[in-house]
Amino acid sequence: TQTVSQSDAHVTVFEGDSVELRCNYSYGGSIYLSWYIQHHGRGLQFLLKYYSGNPVVQGVNGFEAEFSKSDSSFHLRKASVHWSDSAVYFCAVSHNNAGAKLTFGGGTRLTVRP
Amino acid sequence: DAGVTQTPRHEVAEKGQTIILKCEPVSGHNDLFWYRQTKIQGLELLSYFRSKSLMEDGGAFKDRFKAEMLNSSFSTLKIQPTEPKDSAVYLCASSFGGDTQYFGPGTRLLVL
Repeated sequence: TQTVSQSDAHVTVFEGDSVELRCNYSYGGSIYLSWYIQHHGRGLQFLLKYYSGNPVVQGVNGFEAEFSKSDSSFHLRKASVHWSDSAVYFCAVSHNNAGAKLTFGGGTRLTVRP
Repeated sequence: DAGVTQTPRHEVAEKGQTIILKCEPVSGHNDLFWYRQTKIQGLELLSYFRSKSLMEDGGAFKDRFKAEMLNSSFSTLKIQPTEPKDSAVYLCASSFGGDTQYFGPGTRLLVL
């Protein structure tokens, strides 16, 4: 059974701050890792994914994430947040590929204050 | 190119009613997923189709939930009979060949 843990339910920062949203997983095989964003009242939007190669992957809107096998982590980062980044962020794991049968973490609500 | 569309966006049902939620995947996608989203349980997979064949029917949801995909461009999720605990957001997503999933806006269901 694969599990995904997002340790912070809520994160609050100010506009222009950097932010890191944490994601840890448990799974023994080859996995795909993804991050999605959900703005209030909307569906999930894909941000980025990792399977192999460079452990730092770039996504849309200045987001990046770093894979660490030793830490079983895939933390999401942004150097300078904007108020429009306020949303819920979900980390997801799949053991087949980036799409099929995603297992999601509980989500982290990011609030960016002006 | 249209994304995933879901109708209705909001649904209110009385306990015991039958409701049908609809989803149109991205044109050309062959994987379709139904998820349920609640504050307590988070995102849970209900059903997964590949090329219209049911690949997974979430065990906990088999009893009153039935997803169908009669053609490659349309899927339904029937809940029969509804219960108040079914109140949630139901999300549909599609992908091509197991690649990145694209989500619809969801249907917010309230069962009274």
